Amino acid sequence: DTEVTQTPKHLVMGMTNKKSLKCEQHMGHRAMYWYKQKAKKPPELMFVYSYEKLSINESVPSRFSPECPNSSLLNLHLHALQPEDSALYLCASSQVWGLSQPQHFGDGTRLSIL
Amino acid sequence: GESVGLHLPTLSVQEGDNSIINCAYSNSASDYFIWYKQESGKGPQFIIDIRSNMDKRQGQRVTVLLNKTVKHLSLQIAATQPGDSAVYFCAENMRGGSQGNLIFGKGTKLSVKP
Repeated sequence: DTEVTQTPKHLVMGMTNKKSLKCEQHMGHRAMYWYKQKAKKPPELMFVYSYEKLSINESVPSRFSPECPNSSLLNLHLHALQPEDSALYLCASSQVWGLSQPQHFGDGTRLSIL
Repeated sequence: GESVGLHLPTLSVQEGDNSIINCAYSNSASDYFIWYKQESGKGPQFIIDIRSNMDKRQGQRVTVLLNKTVKHLSLQIAATQPGDSAVYFCAENMRGGSQGNLIFGKGTKLSVKP
C-alpha cells in the first residue's frame, strides 16, 4: 500500500465541469508534486510545492489550479479541461525539495475528459 | 530479448533468469539516480537509488550500476519472478537548475514468461 493517498481513483468529466483531485500524505514530507502521465510515457512534472508554497509551475495551462491547504494535503482544481488532458495524474511527496532523495508516489487519479 | 520501436521498449525474460534493464541519462551534472517500478494501474514505486559518488549499490534481489563515463545506469534483477512484470523507469536528479526535480527516462516494460 502506498503512503500517498489520492482520490478519486477514477474521474470522468465534461469539458465544462469543475472538479478537484486530492492528495494526502502523513509522512511529514514538506515537498509535494503533481505529475501528468500519458499512456506508455514517463511522468511529466506539473507543479512543485515546498513548505506549502508553489515553487515550480512547469508552464501548465491555467485550467489546472493547484492548492496546498496544509503540509499534508495537495489539491488540483480542474476547470474547462480539454480531451487531451485525459491522463493519469500522480501526486508525490519527498522530505524536502532540493535534496537528492526519492519521491514517493500515490497510485494516481485516472482522468477522462468527454 | 529487447525490442525498441514506436512503443515502449520491452524486455522479455524467462522466470528464474536474471534481468538487466538499461538507461542512458542525459546530464553529466546529475548526481542522484533512482529506479522506479510501475505496475499496471499503480503509481511508480521506489526500488533503489544511487548517488554519483558510488558505482554500485545492492538491494534485495536488485543491483544498480552507474557508469558516469558513458552516462549509463542499469538495474539488475536476480531470479526474476512473475511479480516483477512491470514498466521500469530510471530517473535522474540534476544538480543546479531545478534541484530536486526528477527527470524520468522513457521506461522499459519487463515481461516475465512462466
